[in-house]
Amino acid sequence: AQSVTQLGSHVSVSEGALVLLRCNYSSSVPPYLFWYVQYPNQGLQLLLKYTTGATLVKGINGFEAEFKKSETSFHLTKPSAHMSDAAEYFCAVSEYGGTSYGKLTFGQGTILTVHP
Amino acid sequence: EADIYQTPRYLVIGTGKKITLECSQTMGHDKMYWYQQDPGMELHLIHYSYGVNSTEKGDLSSESTVSRIRTEHFPLTLESARPSHTSQYLCASSKSGTGISPLHFGNGTRLTVT
Repeated sequence: AQSVTQLGSHVSVSEGALVLLRCNYSSSVPPYLFWYVQYPNQGLQLLLKYTTGATLVKGINGFEAEFKKSETSFHLTKPSAHMSDAAEYFCAVSEYGGTSYGKLTFGQGTILTVHP
Repeated sequence: EADIYQTPRYLVIGTGKKITLECSQTMGHDKMYWYQQDPGMELHLIHYSYGVNSTEKGDLSSESTVSRIRTEHFPLTLESARPSHTSQYLCASSKSGTGISPLHFGNGTRLTVT
């Protein structure tokens, strides 16, 4: 079975500050990990993904995430927040193999607010 | 620009009515999914399909049904809408092949049952 926990349903930062959104996962097999962003009244858009290989993954809009197997974490970061980053962010896990093959399990989401 | 389209974007309907939420994709993806999303909650998979004439129930029990007669089309139907069905419904698709492909999402249908 797979699950995702996002720590903090709301995160608030100032423009230009570091963004850190936390995600921990549980998976019985090697996971595939994703971050999605959802702007108001829109669907989800893929930010980045980890499958295999390099554990530091770079995505769109200056975001990156690091897969840490020992900590079962996949935290999302951005060095300098921009007003346009304000949105809801979802972490998701999928298992390569097993009964959950190909299906994504999502965390509950983190709403990011950026103050001027 | 979205390659997966959901209609309507918003729907307000009375209890007991039959409704169909439309989802179409132009990417030729074999796999399609329906997720239910409530505020402050994770997305829950309610239906998925790995190809034509293939449909499966997801992790969250739902009174809705789906069909997959054509690759590009994956409609969701509620025979008798109830206020408990009020939610946002997101359709998604992904391509088949080795590994796991990311999901592409539509913009969602926000359903309100009065």
